[in-house]
Amino acid sequence: DAGVIQSPRHEVTEMGQEVTLRCKPISGHDYLFWYRQTMMRGLELLIYFNNNVPIDDSGMPEDRFSAKMPNASFSTLKIQPSEPRDSAVYFCASRGPYRSDGYTFGSGTRLTVV
Amino acid sequence: TQLLEQSPQFLSIQEGENLTVYCNSSSVFSSLQWYRQEPGEGPVLLVTVVTGGEVKKLKRLTFQFGDARKDSSLHITAAQPGDTGLYLCAGMRSYNQGGKLIFGQGTELSVKP
Repeated sequence: DAGVIQSPRHEVTEMGQEVTLRCKPISGHDYLFWYRQTMMRGLELLIYFNNNVPIDDSGMPEDRFSAKMPNASFSTLKIQPSEPRDSAVYFCASRGPYRSDGYTFGSGTRLTVV
Repeated sequence: TQLLEQSPQFLSIQEGENLTVYCNSSSVFSSLQWYRQEPGEGPVLLVTVVTGGEVKKLKRLTFQFGDARKDSSLHITAAQPGDTGLYLCAGMRSYNQGGKLIFGQGTELSVKP
């Protein structure tokens, strides 16, 4: 298994531009999570899906952020318009059906908004 | 407000020393997990503890879940440079929340040869 695959690994964009982050979860995992990691705030849960349905998006900072999961093998996190304070490492993680299962994280996307 | 407080935040020790990292909360968790993260990578699961008072060992690492399921500790014996990394505890509040994890802010461990 290739694990959770995220793309791109690095993204540098100008303020105001749209940014799309992509994630392919592990096949058979029916939970998908999007986290953001910064030095100041650590790992913050943004949104999670179960069977492609968004369950909890209370961590999404504002309307500029949106996430979709059109099928079991693909999810996107979009920021429009991007701002410098969005600079962070964004992680996608997936998990199997049992709550005792651990998360499998991707390698992350390092986003820099200048 | 951090639901899970880890201490210390930074730890720099010599190879061969022992250390303990603490993860504390005022909330009860149904389970708690420990992860290790290396630079440029995502966190990797080390262990899951579920029962209050549970102790699990993974080679030189010993994990304990508090009796009241509000705290946990990670003890490393005879630390090695390969143990260097960011250690994160993560708790699951209740099973009816879909299993979402709340992470502590992490303990950055550096083991010098």
